[in-house]
Amino acid sequence: EVQLVESGGGLVQPGGSLRLSCTASGFTFSSYWMSWVRQDPGRGLEWVANINQDGTEKYYMDSVKGRFTLSRDNAMNSLYLQMNSLRADDTAVYYCARKWAGTFDIWGQGTMVTVSS
Amino acid sequence: QSALTQPPSASGSPGQSVTISCTGTSSDVGGYDYVSWYQQHPGKAPKLMIYEVSKRPSGVPDRFSGSKSGNTASLTVSGLQAEDEADYYCTSYTDRNNYVFGTGTRVTVL
Repeated sequence: EVQLVESGGGLVQPGGSLRLSCTASGFTFSSYWMSWVRQDPGRGLEWVANINQDGTEKYYMDSVKGRFTLSRDNAMNSLYLQMNSLRADDTAVYYCARKWAGTFDIWGQGTMVTVSS
Repeated sequence: QSALTQPPSASGSPGQSVTISCTGTSSDVGGYDYVSWYQQHPGKAPKLMIYEVSKRPSGVPDRFSGSKSGNTASLTVSGLQAEDEADYYCTSYTDRNNYVFGTGTRVTVL
């Protein structure tokens, strides 16, 4: 079964850091671009970042550039999102998604990140 | 990057059709055929329903169809069923190597 499982979410104070992980199974992870998408109930879905198959190309939404870093370990079938200098407006459910044919075809169940003092 | 514009809500009776619009610009919807639609039930992850404007992934009923004209894409759900009641989001690739999502539409089956 094709599956993505996120972990690492939680409660963090403003200015703090958090590292999200996403473990893939059921497909050849190293053959796909991967992405993070977040959802704040007040703002709907937002694309956060993409990474190519070997990690040499990365793209970020403007509001997280310089604060978030995307990486992957193909040997471990894992995707990571290092989030630094977190702000209240980063509060959201963060989804890991497989990128295919210009879309996001497989999604994880999401992990909640809450930034609050 | 501004979100794509969708109507907040749409509704129809069982068996009827509902069409949801998704309006962007020439830098996203109008410039590329990488428009997708997702269905999301409460507490669940989004599910891909349409990709590349009008293509259906395996397993998606043919009651779901997509189209595009200029800077506006549309999703039509024909023969509405109770399980179609959900939130629907569009997304498009943009000219900044980014993606932008729509504001979301709540579909209610009356």
